[in-house]
Amino acid sequence: KNEVEQSPQNLTAQEGEFITINCSYSVGISALHWLQQHPGGGIVSLFMLSSGKKKHGRLIATINIQEKHSSLHITASHPRDSAVYICAVGGRDDKIIFGKGTRLHILP
Amino acid sequence: NAGVTQTPKFRVLKTGQSMTLLCAQDMNHEYMYWYRQDPGMGLRLIHYSVGEGTTAKGEVPDGYNVSRLKKQNFLLGLESAAPSQTSVYFCASSRRLGTGYTFGSGTRLTVV
Repeated sequence: KNEVEQSPQNLTAQEGEFITINCSYSVGISALHWLQQHPGGGIVSLFMLSSGKKKHGRLIATINIQEKHSSLHITASHPRDSAVYICAVGGRDDKIIFGKGTRLHILP
Repeated sequence: NAGVTQTPKFRVLKTGQSMTLLCAQDMNHEYMYWYRQDPGMGLRLIHYSVGEGTTAKGEVPDGYNVSRLKKQNFLLGLESAAPSQTSVYFCASSRRLGTGYTFGSGTRLTVV
């Protein structure tokens, strides 16, 4: 079993829809990261969180430490949100474990 | 405002050749990392460094060596390239463990 599991693997939605991407992990962590990788390949860090909830524009990230689960939400989705979203967990041993990513495609 | 710069961006090597990938950051970050990204798999850590002069093995270190002689630079070396090392390589840095990561734009390496 992978230590970081993301769901769904692929998601296609219409512009304007509310999007949820889930991440479950099985290891003890110091922080959880959400990253965005655009088709061109560049990776951008969206959020780092260790508890609660963070919001940036139309993006919201939540984490439940007890349940070892995090969600990334996108409100009023737009075609420019099309990308691969990657969940990564930072352990207490300096190492980061990455999920395989969720490929999101927003149709106009 | 460079952040993390990787060179080169693309490279084709023949099996058995050697090369060095350079990662440079101008944010005074302590931590630096080298990852590889392969289709259908998450980013996998090759080697990392928690400070100048230190390196440590990650998840997939075999066939690679690294050096961190200067705080701002983290070099990844392939001594004898193999087709299994065909991948996209990403460098990243962070100020300390658990803080936000800054990634380079990647190096696409093909070994034929």
